[in-house]
Amino acid sequence: DAKTTQPTSMDCAEGRAANLPCNHSTISGNEYVYWYRQIHSQGPQYIIHGLKNNETNEMASLIITEDRKSSTLILPHATLRDTAVYYCIPGGGADGLTFGKGTHLIIQP
Amino acid sequence: SAVISQKPSRDICQRGTSLTIQCQVDSQVTMMFWYRQQPGQSLTLIATANQGSEATYESGFVIDKFPISRPNLTFSTLTVSNMSPEDSSIYLCSVLTGPYYGYTFGSGTRLTVV
Repeated sequence: DAKTTQPTSMDCAEGRAANLPCNHSTISGNEYVYWYRQIHSQGPQYIIHGLKNNETNEMASLIITEDRKSSTLILPHATLRDTAVYYCIPGGGADGLTFGKGTHLIIQP
Repeated sequence: SAVISQKPSRDICQRGTSLTIQCQVDSQVTMMFWYRQQPGQSLTLIATANQGSEATYESGFVIDKFPISRPNLTFSTLTVSNMSPEDSSIYLCSVLTGPYYGYTFGSGTRLTVV
């Protein structure tokens, strides 16, 4: 039973905003939503996390719905280097991360 | 955030042998984690290693197959024992960093068993 549901793959044109959705309807009240990405042959890279409020950092923005059952990661100006598998992961303790299948984002030139 | 160095970056091993993977962190961390990523798959947590205590293994992983050492707060090793081709995977270590419980990952060890 998957904790999250993400599209298997998505395409986005270079320079455009990439919007990656994630459904996490079983998230518990004290769990954060984390986003990581894995570029081919590298270890996963932290992108952003949030609890209730929308968050923004130098890499991305995170929009969390009011009921916290879903979220959207936004890469505002996608580049070819953003091609990667993106993982949405509910969590927040010190128990390690449970990775789902993620979304393979392909940025098209 | 912490910087992790993993060795070796890749190796090709004969079945029946063992390989020890090293994970060195540039700062002291309490919790270290080991993951496996099988070809075309996502990451799966193998075990959690805290300094001064026995590693805690996830379901499906046992100490005899994946012994772990954690001698100090900056270093850990994972051994893949009595290897078979099914053990061909990328093995990654990770540490818990920061006040928000973010995780940093090493670049991984790509293991091929022939």
